[in-house]
Amino acid sequence: KNEVEQSPQNLTAQEGEFITINCSYSVGISALHWLQQHPGGGIVSLFMLSSGKKKHGRLIATINIQEKHSSLHITASHPRDSAVYICAVLGNYGGSQGNLIFGKGTKLSVKP
Amino acid sequence: NAGVTQTPKFQVLKTGQSMTLQCAQDMNHNSMYWYRQDPGMGLRLIYYSASEGTTDKGEVPNGYNVSRLNKREFSLRLESAAPSQTSVYFCASSDLGWRQNYGYTFGSGTRLTVV
Repeated sequence: KNEVEQSPQNLTAQEGEFITINCSYSVGISALHWLQQHPGGGIVSLFMLSSGKKKHGRLIATINIQEKHSSLHITASHPRDSAVYICAVLGNYGGSQGNLIFGKGTKLSVKP
Repeated sequence: NAGVTQTPKFQVLKTGQSMTLQCAQDMNHNSMYWYRQDPGMGLRLIYYSASEGTTDKGEVPNGYNVSRLNKREFSLRLESAAPSQTSVYFCASSDLGWRQNYGYTFGSGTRLTVV
């Protein structure tokens, strides 16, 4: 079983829709990252969370440490939001501190 | 612009050839990483360097070597390329203390094909 699971794997939405991408993890963590990867492009860090909620523009990320779950929300989605969104956790166990464990990503396509 | 610079962006190798992927960061980060990304899989750690002068194996180190040349530069070497090493490679850096965490910055990636 993967230590970081994302759902859905693929998501198609109409422009303007509210989008939610979920991430569940099975290890103790010190932080969780949401990353964005455009087709053929590099990886950009969107958020780093250790508790609560963060907001940046139309993006909102939440984390529930007790439930080992995080969500990334996109309000008023736009075709330029089309990308792969990756959840990654930073484990808090010894031996591999500083190393991220990645989910497989959620491919989002927003249609005009 | 500040960030992580990777070279080359694209490379085609023949089986058995060698090459070095270069990575440099100008953010004075202590930690640097090399990942590979394959279809249907999450990024996997090849090697990392927690600080200048140290390197450690990650999840998939076989067939690779690394050098932390100085605080800025962390290179990945394929001594004898194999088709299984066809992948997209990402370098990343972070300023990470023990159980502290700061943002990660990723390079733009190197798309490597081994034929």
